[in-house]
Amino acid sequence: AQSVAQPEDQVNVAEGNPLTVKCTYSVSGNPYLFWYVQYPNRGLQFLLKYITGDNLVKGSYGFEAEFNKSQTSFHLKKPSALVSDSALYFCAVSDNAGNMLTFGGGTRLMVKP
Amino acid sequence: NAGVTQTPKFRILKIGQSMTLQCAQDMNHNYMYWYRQDPGMGLKLIYYSVGAGITDKGEVPNGYNVSRSTTEYFPLRLELAAPSQTSVYFCASSLTSGRLQQETQYFGPGTRLLVL
Repeated sequence: AQSVAQPEDQVNVAEGNPLTVKCTYSVSGNPYLFWYVQYPNRGLQFLLKYITGDNLVKGSYGFEAEFNKSQTSFHLKKPSALVSDSALYFCAVSDNAGNMLTFGGGTRLMVKP
Repeated sequence: NAGVTQTPKFRILKIGQSMTLQCAQDMNHNYMYWYRQDPGMGLKLIYYSVGAGITDKGEVPNGYNVSRSTTEYFPLRLELAAPSQTSVYFCASSLTSGRLQQETQYFGPGTRLLVL
């Protein structure tokens, strides 16, 4: 069975500082990895995905994520955080057999001015 | 495009009542999904559909039913509401021609359901 772990319930960072939201995964085959963001009372919005190719994936709003196969990780990063980045972030994974998308429990990002 | 729309935004049900959560998408996506999100948890897949007339169970289908008569609509039915079904429900869609989960899913704003 595939699974996703987001070890931090909340990440606090000051505006202008770099941020990292951690994600590790477990799948039986090659992973397909996604990051979504959820603002209050809204649905999930797609940020970026890794399917194959370059391990560093660039996405919306200046976010990027690095795929590390040996560590089975897909951490979300941004060089300079904005207050408007404050939201709930979800990592998700599926394998290449067409199984369902599995979400992590989410990490709340708080960016303080 | 309106994207994925859901109605109602919020509903309170009594135990044993039934209701239908509506979902529509105007992107001509072939795949549609229903998820539930419990507090502090990630999303869990209830049902999904790969096209009109075709539906299949996800991870947590018990207590729910779906239908997909057209590409645009994918309603979720709760027949006998139970407190355990108190959750936020999200509908999503994707345009998938190949492997199921490689394509980006687009989400609706959600329906908050409270069963008392």
